Amino acid sequence: AQSVAQPEDQVNVAEGNPLTVKCTYSVSGNPYLFWYVQYPNRGLQFLLKYITGDNLVKGSYGFEAEFNKSQTSFHLKKPSALVSDSALYFCAVRALTGRRALTFGSGTRLQVQP
Amino acid sequence: GAGVSQSPSNKVTEKGKDVELRCDPISGHTALYWYRQSLGQGLEFLIYFQGNSAPDKSGLPSDRFSAERTGGSVSTLTIQRTQQEDSAVYLCASSFTSPRTFSGGNQETQYFGPGTRLLVL
Repeated sequence: AQSVAQPEDQVNVAEGNPLTVKCTYSVSGNPYLFWYVQYPNRGLQFLLKYITGDNLVKGSYGFEAEFNKSQTSFHLKKPSALVSDSALYFCAVRALTGRRALTFGSGTRLQVQP
Repeated sequence: GAGVSQSPSNKVTEKGKDVELRCDPISGHTALYWYRQSLGQGLEFLIYFQGNSAPDKSGLPSDRFSAERTGGSVSTLTIQRTQQEDSAVYLCASSFTSPRTFSGGNQETQYFGPGTRLLVL
């Protein structure tokens, strides 16, 4: 079985400061990892993904994530937070082989204060 | 281009009634997924369609739930005899995915619709 843990329900950061949203995963074999963002009353928007290759993945809106196989982590980062980044962030995983459906974490609410 | 669309955006129904939720995937996408987002359960997978293959129904919570995909495009999720615990946001996603287990590249990314908010009274 595969699983995703997002240990923080909420992350608070001041505008202009760096932000990190944590994600760890468990999957059999190599992982396929995603980050999505959800704004109020909206669907999920794709931010970035890791398949293979460079451990540092760059995505939309200045976000990036680092894949760490030994720590089974895929933390989302941004060097300088914006108030408009305030939203709900979901990490998701699937194994490269097996069921295609994504398993999501419980989500982390990011609050960026002006 | 157009994204995934879902209708209705909101649905209020009485317990025991049947409901149908519709999903229009991105044109050309071969795979279609249904997920459910609820306060107590988070985001959970319901069902997956890939081309003409038999759907993966492993996430459907009960036999009151069913889905079909006509002509490899539009999908309808049907909930029969709705219960209050069915209240949730139902999200549809689509992707361009080859039938092989792993295709990589720009494929595999699931793009989500805005969801249908279902309230069962």
